[in-house]
Order: sequence, then C-alpha cells, then structure tokens
Amino acid sequence: GNSVTQMEGPVTLSEEAFLTINCTYTATGYPSLFWYVQYPGEGLQLLLKATKADDKGSNKGFEATYRKETTSFHLEKGSVQVSDSAVYFCVGTGRRALTFGSGTRLQVQP
Amino acid sequence: DAGVTQSPTHLIKTRGQHVTLRCSPISGHKSVSWYQQVLGQGPQFIFQYYEKEERGRGNFPDRFSARQFPNYSSELNVNALLLGDSALYLCASSLNGGPVTDTQYFGPGTRLTVL
Repeated sequence: GNSVTQMEGPVTLSEEAFLTINCTYTATGYPSLFWYVQYPGEGLQLLLKATKADDKGSNKGFEATYRKETTSFHLEKGSVQVSDSAVYFCVGTGRRALTFGSGTRLQVQP
Repeated sequence: DAGVTQSPTHLIKTRGQHVTLRCSPISGHKSVSWYQQVLGQGPQFIFQYYEKEERGRGNFPDRFSARQFPNYSSELNVNALLLGDSALYLCASSLNGGPVTDTQYFGPGTRLTVL
C-alpha cells in the first residue's frame, strides 16, 4: 500500500531562518501530493499541492516540488515567521483516501 | 459560508460504551470522509461516503460504522469502546467522490477520551 515518510520533529528555528522538511513517498502509480498544516487549536488546512511529476506547489511563501526520480516532496520556506509554528503533514492520495505522514512540529522562536 | 462542522467538540466515555460523532459538510459537498488521529501521529482513514453509499473503508474493526444522510451529513459510530479509541476524530468533505480529484476540507475534529 501507499506510505509517506517525513522527518521527525520537533524542528526549532529562529525567525527568518530557512526551513526544509523532508518527505518521501511509496506508492503504486503516481499519487497527488500535498502538504497540510495544523495550527494550534485549528483544523487541518491544505497548504499546497502537486498533482504530477515536476509540478511545484506554492503558497504563503512555502514551496514543494514533486520529484518522481527521488519519490520526494520536500517542503521549503526561505524565511520562517513565528506565525508558521504548527504541525506539518506530508500527504499522498490513495484510491479512496489520503495517506498522511506522522507530522513534523515546527517551532519558530522570535 | 460555513466550513465543515463537527459535534461534539469533546467527549468523555468509559470502556464498553457506545459513541456517535456527527459531521456536517460544506454546503454543496457530497462526499464525507472520517479519519482517526491518535496523539502524535498522522490521521488514519476510517471511511468515505459519497451520495449516501460507502465508497471506502480503512483498516478498522467492525466496531466502527458510519452512515450518510440525504442532506449529506454523516455520523460515525463506535461500539464497545476501548482505551485505544481515544483520539481526535476528523471529518473531511469534498465536492465529489474522492481525494484524487477533489480537495478535502477538514473540520476541527471531535476529541474522544475513553477512560
């Protein structure tokens, strides 16, 4: 079956630092890939998505590129803010459902 | 427009009891999916319903069941509760039948604690 592996947290950064959260996937076929974010006290929100190889998803300064050759979808942001503190989930599509990674908690300190 | 709503927000039950969780999708959305999120882990798929029919089931025991009503709202039922059922239960709605083609919108969840 499909699976998603992402780097364990927590990741602690200072404001304006560069962020990378690694994600790799295992799937039959070519899934769509997503990053979802869960802010404290809020529901899961779609951050960005990519539906085919070499697609780049971007939103709110975050980017991720669908790399078929390395089966990866790493999340990056050039300059994080305190407000980016949240749990980030790398997600792939299955036939009927989303397959979530275990989540990476990001803490940004002022 | 209102997003996905879930009730109740929190729930405390004891082992062996039964629980019913409710979800109202975004207006116009016909598909509802349920996920279980154990503390510190990613959500795990339980069920998907589309047009009142079950379209997918995850690896959960028969104690878990669900249904979708004509207005597309949904209930998740769990019988004979176990301590391990303690989790955040998430409902997600989408316009049509599946996550491959539709963005899923998540509700805030119901926090179930089993004592």
